[in-house]
Amino acid sequence: DAKTTQPPSMDCAEGRAANLPCNHSTISGNEYVYWYRQIHSQGPQYIIHGLKNNETNEMASLIITEDRKSSTLILPHATLRDTAVYYCIVRVAKRDDKIIFGKGTRLHILP
Amino acid sequence: DSGVTQTPKHLITATGQRVTLRCSPRSGDLSVYWYQQSLDQGLQFLIQYYNGEERAKGNILERFSAQQFPDLHSELNLSSLELGDSALYFCASSANPRGGEKLFFGSGTQLSVL
Repeated sequence: DAKTTQPPSMDCAEGRAANLPCNHSTISGNEYVYWYRQIHSQGPQYIIHGLKNNETNEMASLIITEDRKSSTLILPHATLRDTAVYYCIVRVAKRDDKIIFGKGTRLHILP
Repeated sequence: DSGVTQTPKHLITATGQRVTLRCSPRSGDLSVYWYQQSLDQGLQFLIQYYNGEERAKGNILERFSAQQFPDLHSELNLSSLELGDSALYFCASSANPRGGEKLFFGSGTQLSVL
């Protein structure tokens, strides 16, 4: 699976959009980009995923560049409850699947 | 609530002992994943089962073993426990292991080895 690179930490003001970048320059054509987050000591929570097109759901938007070498997770109106570690994962579609979480980005939402 | 149930929530034991962590996946999910998260560390993938069969293995110690039963629940057995095994252990499930599937995580078992 392709490796991902994320900044270790980011700050965002409450009410503003939080834009979390992820680089995955070695991504293959059949690999999806997934985002999860982990609020302190809780189980990670799925946020969104995509293959080529931009995606939006009730939690966030995922913007994937045309060359698919990077992506951005957007939390449109960040709240204090969005403070968490955000993980970007690239997964190849196959049966035997080691889903590897990196160190992620620790997002601090500032009041 | 993710629908994945892990028991117990907390476990305190001594070095050298053996413990069993239990995971019940979401109804209908065939795949179970186990992860270990030590203090201030990332999530370390241990092992994955699909419909009773082992499918993928991470850096799981030989002292650790797991299995998935016919009713799809899974158990992670940790033996000859050491202080360094103290960690949060998460279980996750998904409908199948192919790409395009989301993982749903339980709330974890906090293991403390004293």
